[in-house]
Amino acid sequence: DADVTQTPRNRITKTGKRIMLECSQTKGHDRMYWYRQDPGLGLRLIYYSFDVKDINKGEISDGYSVSRQAQAKFSLSLESAIPNQTALYFCATSVVGWGYNEQFFGPGTRLTVL
Amino acid sequence: AQSVTQPDIHITVSEGASLELRCNYSYGATPYLFWYVQSPGQGLQLLLKYFSGDTLVQGIKGFEAEFKRSQSSFNLRKPSVHWSDAAEYFCAVGEEVGNEKLTFGTGTRLTIIP
Repeated sequence: DADVTQTPRNRITKTGKRIMLECSQTKGHDRMYWYRQDPGLGLRLIYYSFDVKDINKGEISDGYSVSRQAQAKFSLSLESAIPNQTALYFCATSVVGWGYNEQFFGPGTRLTVL
Repeated sequence: AQSVTQPDIHITVSEGASLELRCNYSYGATPYLFWYVQSPGQGLQLLLKYFSGDTLVQGIKGFEAEFKRSQSSFNLRKPSVHWSDAAEYFCAVGEEVGNEKLTFGTGTRLTIIP
């Protein structure tokens, strides 16, 4: 089984709908991240959480919210989806430990907002 | 603020030829540098990383990268590419230990021709 899973893998929705993307991990990592990927823009950080009680905004948090339900789960919500939120969304995790800790990515969720 | 530039949007290489993908970064302190690969329809996989020490780092799949502080570069190389190397490659720079957020470049898409 994959260490970092994302559901759904693909989602098509309409403008104004509320959408939740979920991320689960079995790596036991404390830190979790949400990124979006747009063609020609690379990956940009939306929100990150260093533990269950810690939530931080990233570079592009407007229009998004997150919930860290447990160490293993980190959800991203679009309260009222708009077409320019059409993108590929990635969840990532990292461990807290000595030195610099690399991030491990899930397979991504492709979201289309019509 | 840190930033990453990948000047080549798309590179085409013949199978068996050598490869170099360019990455330049801007960061005031000691950089933590990464190369990730994204195969079509897949998530991101870490190829290699530089934290400190030897400036030539070896990664998976036969890739290597060289950190050159004087040029603010971290170019990725492979002596002989295989058709399976066709993918998108992202360079990333990380913030300081304890605050490991990543800033990604815009990516380089690699096409392999027979």
